[in-house]
Amino acid sequence: GDSVTQMEGPVTLSEEAFLTINCTYTATGYPSLFWYVQYPGEGLQLLLKATKADDKGSNKGFEATYRKETTSFHLEKGSVQVSDSAVYFCAMNSGGYQKVTFGTGTKLQVIP
Amino acid sequence: EAGVAQSPRYKIIEKRQSVAFWCNPISGHATLYWYQQILGQGPKLLIQFQNNGVVDDSQLPKDRFSAERLKGVDSTLKIQPAKLEDSAVYLCASSHSRQGRNTEAFFGQGTRLTVV
Repeated sequence: GDSVTQMEGPVTLSEEAFLTINCTYTATGYPSLFWYVQYPGEGLQLLLKATKADDKGSNKGFEATYRKETTSFHLEKGSVQVSDSAVYFCAMNSGGYQKVTFGTGTKLQVIP
Repeated sequence: EAGVAQSPRYKIIEKRQSVAFWCNPISGHATLYWYQQILGQGPKLLIQFQNNGVVDDSQLPKDRFSAERLKGVDSTLKIQPAKLEDSAVYLCASSHSRQGRNTEAFFGQGTRLTVV
């Protein structure tokens, strides 16, 4: 069945370090892909999305490219800040009725 | 535009009691989702509505959980009787999607349920 796999955390980085969080998916058909972020004590928010192969989603300095050949959607940021500390979820929207499936989440902690 | 509204924000009940959660999606959104998010895990889809019809409830524990979306707008999720393992955040989300693509789900703040 459809599934999303993302790297386990927690990930601890120093401020201004480079971030990569890996995400791969398995889906029948042609899903849309998303990264959601959950800041401490807050709800899930959409961070970025991509709807077709080779699309690049970007927001707040974060980027992810839809790679159909490797079924991946890795999240990257060139220089993280303390305020980026949160849990990041990779997700996809697939099937005729657009079921949204989430990965298990990766907790990021950025230290000054 | 107003976001997805959920209530209550927090609920503490004893095991074997019943509880209900309410969700008001974004106006005009045909699709409504209920997710269960256990601490440290990703959201797990419990049930998905398209207007007032159920399109996926494969992971809903139907012996104790029920949900309805009368008139295709508001929705309620009920647990009866609750078990300790039901302690989680229950998230409601909505989206424009019908048979189309390119739509993301918008989430409410969630209801944190603690079963003691």
